[in-house]
Amino acid sequence: DTEVTQTPKHLVMGMTNKKSLKCEQHMGHRAMYWYKQKAKKPPELMFVYSYEKLSINESVPSRFSPECPNSSLLNLHLHALQPEDSALYLCASSHQLTSGVTDTQYFGPGTRLTVL
Amino acid sequence: AQKITQTQPGMFVQEKEAVTLDCTYDTSDQSYGLFWYKQPSSGEMIFLIYQGSYDEQNATEGRYSLNFQKARKSANLVISASQLGDSAMYFCAMREGPENTGFQKLVFGTGTRLLVSP
Repeated sequence: DTEVTQTPKHLVMGMTNKKSLKCEQHMGHRAMYWYKQKAKKPPELMFVYSYEKLSINESVPSRFSPECPNSSLLNLHLHALQPEDSALYLCASSHQLTSGVTDTQYFGPGTRLTVL
Repeated sequence: AQKITQTQPGMFVQEKEAVTLDCTYDTSDQSYGLFWYKQPSSGEMIFLIYQGSYDEQNATEGRYSLNFQKARKSANLVISASQLGDSAMYFCAMREGPENTGFQKLVFGTGTRLLVSP
């Protein structure tokens, strides 16, 4: 099973709202990722969690707040977003490279976010 | 500096024909990994195929094969017997970062949009 689930599929929010994106995987992966993808562009890495600890923050504005409550769940809390934050937000997970298996990242279907 | 280059913004192919999507990369690492993903209009990034830098054989997965030419730093994706459902954006990506960090950053190319016609 190589399934990563994301909810919601679509989200429309105002600039003063607080919302959260959720990602879940049950593949035993210990690395989880958030990407942002604008239209007609490749995904851009935002955050990486490794063993539930934040390992990489690619200089993402503080209005995006990630959280990894356990090894299967990854959240992205959104607050005071700007219209330019409208994008497809993709979650991914992978094994660790040192575990002796390929570190292929498996992606969820994404959340299409529109900020009004 | 751009590390993954996909020079074909769009490609057209007829159903049942084979098509090659180009990807060149730049790295000074001895150990690296190359991935191809498919992204339909629905948005999900679907993993297709992986090639490790030390793999001597070209990777194959069903109708997908990777033409890996290490000296030329190219990792082209070959799709045989194209189907209408193959119409999508295709991204080449490379793993970068030291191996002992346990997780790897992916660097993506700009993508190639493939359109399969009946």
